[in-house]
Amino acid sequence: DIQLTQSPSFLSASVGDRVTITCRASQDISSYLAWYQQKPGKAPKFLIYGASTLETGVPSRFSGSGSGTEFTLTISSLQAEDFETYYCQQLKTYPVTFGQGTRLEI
Amino acid sequence: QEHLVESGGGVVQPGGSLRLSCAASGFTFNNYGMHWVRQAPGKGLEWVAFTRYDGSNKYYADSVKGRFTISRDNSKNTLYLQMKSLRPEDTAVYYCAKDNFVGWEPAPGFDYWGQGTLVTVSS
Repeated sequence: DIQLTQSPSFLSASVGDRVTITCRASQDISSYLAWYQQKPGKAPKFLIYGASTLETGVPSRFSGSGSGTEFTLTISSLQAEDFETYYCQQLKTYPVTFGQGTRLEI
Repeated sequence: QEHLVESGGGVVQPGGSLRLSCAASGFTFNNYGMHWVRQAPGKGLEWVAFTRYDGSNKYYADSVKGRFTISRDNSKNTLYLQMKSLRPEDTAVYYCAKDNFVGWEPAPGFDYWGQGTLVTVSS
């Protein structure tokens, strides 16, 4: 199975900051990577697919990059509603796998 | 507007069985692959199972293979997860989720999710 490792697991930041979350895959997954945001007690929200394509309706302050084994999610200017947990997901092959999550805290 | 609603969760004893349902609306259900994803209390997301749009191909996580069965009834726009031989480690919120694109396996992402249904395995 393909393992995904996110770093950091916890990230403290302030409104207006630029932050980057990294996701590393245990093998080459090309650009078959997605990102999700999850609020406590809610279903995940789909943010990015194909490593860098923003889902419709997602604010442009979110961006993704990378290919192969290293990927990043960047939030250019944090807003109050962005302080949630973020997950990467590989969709190169089954079983689909998720990273362990990154909790973004004020 | 796509909408997914899970039901069927509850408390079950170890070794017991449960069937989850996911009612879909707002999109052409029989065009899309569908998934079950779970999240144990305070933990991360774990993909559980996939079914192709027509049910002809299915995949499972190793942790549930042989115990869980994913199925769908396209005439009812409903996805199912039959769970048997349940273990305490199966305790989680179970979400159904939809492929974002038609015809990909795996699809590039899961664009719509239900609100989840809680399964608790405990004596």
